[in-house]
Amino acid sequence: GAVVSQHPSWVICKSGTSVKIECRSLDFQATTMFWYRQFPKQSLMLMATSNEGSKATYEQGVEKDKFLINHASLTLSTLTVTSAHPEDSSFYICSARKRERAETQYFGPGTRLLVL
Amino acid sequence: GQQVMQIPQYQHVQEGEDFTTYCNSSTTLSNIQWYKQRPGGHPVFLIQLVKSGEVKKQKRLTFQFGEAKKNSSLHITATQTTDVGTYFCAGSGATNKLIFGTGTLLAVQP
Repeated sequence: GAVVSQHPSWVICKSGTSVKIECRSLDFQATTMFWYRQFPKQSLMLMATSNEGSKATYEQGVEKDKFLINHASLTLSTLTVTSAHPEDSSFYICSARKRERAETQYFGPGTRLLVL
Repeated sequence: GQQVMQIPQYQHVQEGEDFTTYCNSSTTLSNIQWYKQRPGGHPVFLIQLVKSGEVKKQKRLTFQFGEAKKNSSLHITATQTTDVGTYFCAGSGATNKLIFGTGTLLAVQP
């Protein structure tokens, strides 16, 4: 199988706080993980590509200092939303790819973030 | 940049009717994937098409990849209430990143 988990599944926080979201590949090693954001009734937008042991590659328009990504091991990537504001409220979804150039991504269940 | 559009944005059908969503990419794709997202859920992988003109079937679902590898379609025969959700295509190009389509929300009335 290829199971990806995310934690937490939902989080409510006050404006100005930082929130960390974990993405884990449970039964395989993921050389690459991807972070997506989905606003209500919209499509998934790729935020960044995370490769184990190297800096993440951010998509145009995504602030790297606001969305900190760490991919410290082959099974874990974290996304930290720093100084969160209400406009950061969204559904954050990660996916993982088993090996370089593999075409299939396995998606996590997502994390719903609500910033008050 | 690469854009992937889907039509229609929304479709409401009576149970038993057929449904089709169309996906068009601004650039040639190396492969196309289809996902289903139930309300409140996360995208679930349905299928991947790689070859030009490829057609694949999964029970009542038929997926097609265009000859030019820039468009794709998903057809559902005799819809059921369990088919409700948003269907996304996602294209992968030279960068091997998935670009998701705009999605088609399917509502099925019993």
